[in-house]
This record gives sequence, C-alpha cells and structure tokens, in this order.
Amino acid sequence: AQRVTQPEKLLSVFKGAPVELKCNYSYSGSPELFWYVQYSRQRLQLLLRHISRESIKGFTADLNKGETSFHLKKPFAQEEDSAMYYCALSGMDSSYKLIFGSGTRLLVRP
Amino acid sequence: DTGVSQDPRHKITKRGQNVTFRCDPISEHNRLYWYRQTLGQGPEFLTYFQNEAQLEKSRLLSDRFSAERPKGSFSTLEIQRTEQGDSAMYLCATGVNEKLFFGSGTQLSVL
Repeated sequence: AQRVTQPEKLLSVFKGAPVELKCNYSYSGSPELFWYVQYSRQRLQLLLRHISRESIKGFTADLNKGETSFHLKKPFAQEEDSAMYYCALSGMDSSYKLIFGSGTRLLVRP
Repeated sequence: DTGVSQDPRHKITKRGQNVTFRCDPISEHNRLYWYRQTLGQGPEFLTYFQNEAQLEKSRLLSDRFSAERPKGSFSTLEIQRTEQGDSAMYLCATGVNEKLFFGSGTQLSVL
C-alpha cells in the first residue's frame, strides 16, 4: 500500500535550534518525494523535492531508500519557518498525483 | 492573482442539498486534480484530469460526487445530497511535470 507517515503532529523549537521533521513512506517502487508547506493564511506550496537535491530557505531533505525516509532538516530554525509541513510522494506514473502525510505543525518560538 | 483560483471560498449548506465548486487552473497546465482535506489530515486525492479527460478517480469518491472539466479548462466538482461527513476543505491543484500548484480551497460546512 502507498502511504506517507509523519509521526509528529507538532514540533516546537526555539529560534536558532536545529529542526528535523520526520517522514517515512511505503511504496512498491521508486517514488518521487516532496515536502509541501502551508504558511498561515496561504495556500499549500512546494518547498522542495528529492530529485532536485536542492536547499530551499535553508531546508534540505535526503531520500534514504533503505529506511524509506525523507526527513526535512534545517540547522537553525527561524520564526518565519512556523507553518504546516506535509511530506508527499508521487508514483512514477503519468498522473503525478500526490499522496500526502498527515502533516507536522512546526512552531518556532522566539 | 495568476495562480489556481477556486470559488466559492466558503460554502455552508444543509444536509441533503447539492453543492458545486469551481476551479480555474493556470492556463498552460493540462493536468488538474481535486483533493479533500479534513481537520488534522493531509490532502486526500479524489480525482484527476488530463485536459478534459477524467483519468482516475479515488475510491473515496462516492457516486454522489461528480467532477467535470469541459474543454480542458475550468473544472467543477459537484456533491449531491450532501452529508455531514462531506464537511471538509476541497482543494484544486494543477500541474506541470512533477510540480503541483494548489488553489486556496473551498471550505464546505454541511449542517
């Protein structure tokens, strides 16, 4: 079964602390993994995807196929990082439809 | 705003009534998706169009739900005989390659 698991509903850290948002997936194949973010009163938007191996707003995520994980990391959290973060996967078919996890709320306190 | 547009933003209806939502995509995007999101959950896939063709429907999409995309442009999602369990945020997204762009959603409340 295709599934994305985000075990933490809420992650609260102080400004400047490291952040790691966990994501595990289940998929029989080689999916593409994404992180989407939703800031307060804004629409859901793409943060980064594993295939591009990029760093966006200081966030990085490495796909670990052995552990079927795609954790999102940032060394020094900022208050403006406070948002809902969703991990998602897309199967390698032509639909590119996304399967989302339940999301983690990141709260960065001053 | 040149992004994906959804209308209305909010809809309150009584149980048993029919409702229709509209999504206007980014013009050059030929793929269009509908998702449903309930409190505390991530978006759940409902259905997908490639141009005007509806290519996939989730098992979540009961017979009371129907979606159309005439002429491959805007799309509508209709829910007939609404139930309280239909209360949710309905999101539209359009895509180019692997990247999806989401609308702000329609929040449906069924009383």
